[in-house]
Amino acid sequence: GAGVSQSPRYKVAKRGQDVALRCDPISGHVSLFWYQQALGQGPEFLTYFQNEAQLDKSGLPSDRFFAERPEGSVSTLKIQRTQQEDSAVYLCASSPSGSIYNEQFFGPGTRLTVL
Amino acid sequence: RKEVEQDPGPFNVPEGATVAFNCTYSNSASQSFFWYRQDCRKEPKLLMSVYSSGNEDGRFTAQLNRASQYISLLIRDSKLSDSATYLCVVMENQGGKLIFGQGTELSVKP
Repeated sequence: GAGVSQSPRYKVAKRGQDVALRCDPISGHVSLFWYQQALGQGPEFLTYFQNEAQLDKSGLPSDRFFAERPEGSVSTLKIQRTQQEDSAVYLCASSPSGSIYNEQFFGPGTRLTVL
Repeated sequence: RKEVEQDPGPFNVPEGATVAFNCTYSNSASQSFFWYRQDCRKEPKLLMSVYSSGNEDGRFTAQLNRASQYISLLIRDSKLSDSATYLCVVMENQGGKLIFGQGTELSVKP
């Protein structure tokens, strides 16, 4: 079956532009996570959904970052007024349920470059 | 102090070598631990979970020392295909968010 997919795979934005990054989780997966990975670093948690409910958004760096999952499947991460420090790979992961014992499956990521 | 800390690397080893990665974590209440592998410009993939009793998967052995809050990964008889970044990961108990270390880059040379 299909894994987690993300689009676009690459995005170049001018500083100040708004961007929207899409994640299609594995069908039926309840939990969905967004992570940000800067060059040379490990991924850092941004936010977490269980179905359509956003249960944790403690990792979002600022109020310019917004995520939604309105129907409990596809999720969108939106970044308003992008800045150069937003340049990173944005990874989405899904898992079958909210259990801490479920493996998280990662998508290929969206590489965002802000000029 | 970062929640999960790893050897910075990079590790450059010849084929057939044994290499060990170390990691420490700060939250003594953590319950779930993993090693992920990330190839260049690819997504992280689960390599193995880490249990208190230690666990082995072929050439890979993971160990957990809860008292010292220390996790290790041993790779025996390393192959060229083992070249990647190895990420030490701790799962938060509530909700399951993953906390990653910086990653250690391994390069296995012929």
